[in-house]
Amino acid sequence: KQEVTQIPAALSVPEGENLVLNCSFTDSAIYNLQWFRQDPGKGLTSLLLIQSSQREQTSGRLNASLDKSSGRSTLYIAASQPGDSATYLCAVKVGGTDKLIFGTGTRLQVFP
Amino acid sequence: DAGVIQSPRHEVTEMGQEVTLRCKPISGHDYLFWYRQTMMRGLELLIYFNNNVPIDDSGMPEDRFSAKMPNASFSTLKIQPSEPRDSAVYFCASSHGLVYNEQFFGPGTRLTVL
Repeated sequence: KQEVTQIPAALSVPEGENLVLNCSFTDSAIYNLQWFRQDPGKGLTSLLLIQSSQREQTSGRLNASLDKSSGRSTLYIAASQPGDSATYLCAVKVGGTDKLIFGTGTRLQVFP
Repeated sequence: DAGVIQSPRHEVTEMGQEVTLRCKPISGHDYLFWYRQTMMRGLELLIYFNNNVPIDDSGMPEDRFSAKMPNASFSTLKIQPSEPRDSAVYFCASSHGLVYNEQFFGPGTRLTVL
């Protein structure tokens, strides 16, 4: 059974710092991995999608990497801003099933 | 594009009442998903449709839950009768294709059952 873990569960950093959020999964047979952002009381916003054949994706200040063999993905946020404060979720699409399996999220707070 | 639209945004009801949640997927998307989010269990897939046909409902918690998709632009999730443990945020998402494509989420319906 696929399990997705995100570490740390919460993170508080000063504005301007570069930071890394971690996502690990137990079954490496994935089709893709997706990073989402969730603001309080809001839905999920898709940030980046990495196909299983890719190693990384970039969008603006965000860079996501994927190491399938070790079951890990990282989301790198450069020059963090208070507007980046949110919960970040990773989810994997597993081979043999049509479901997205979500991690429990990392709650990020960036203070001025 | 307006994105995935859900209504109502908030619903407060009493135990035993019927609750209907609504979703309009992004135009052109052929997959629609219903999720439930709670503090204890995180995000869970309840059911998903392809071209209006239910494909996998194994996540539906019990017979009190039912979902329909009468056409490509509308889906409902019904709970009857509702119970306090059904209190959660219910999300609808859609995608074009299943395996390799992004899912786009609606804003969610926060359900409180008293």
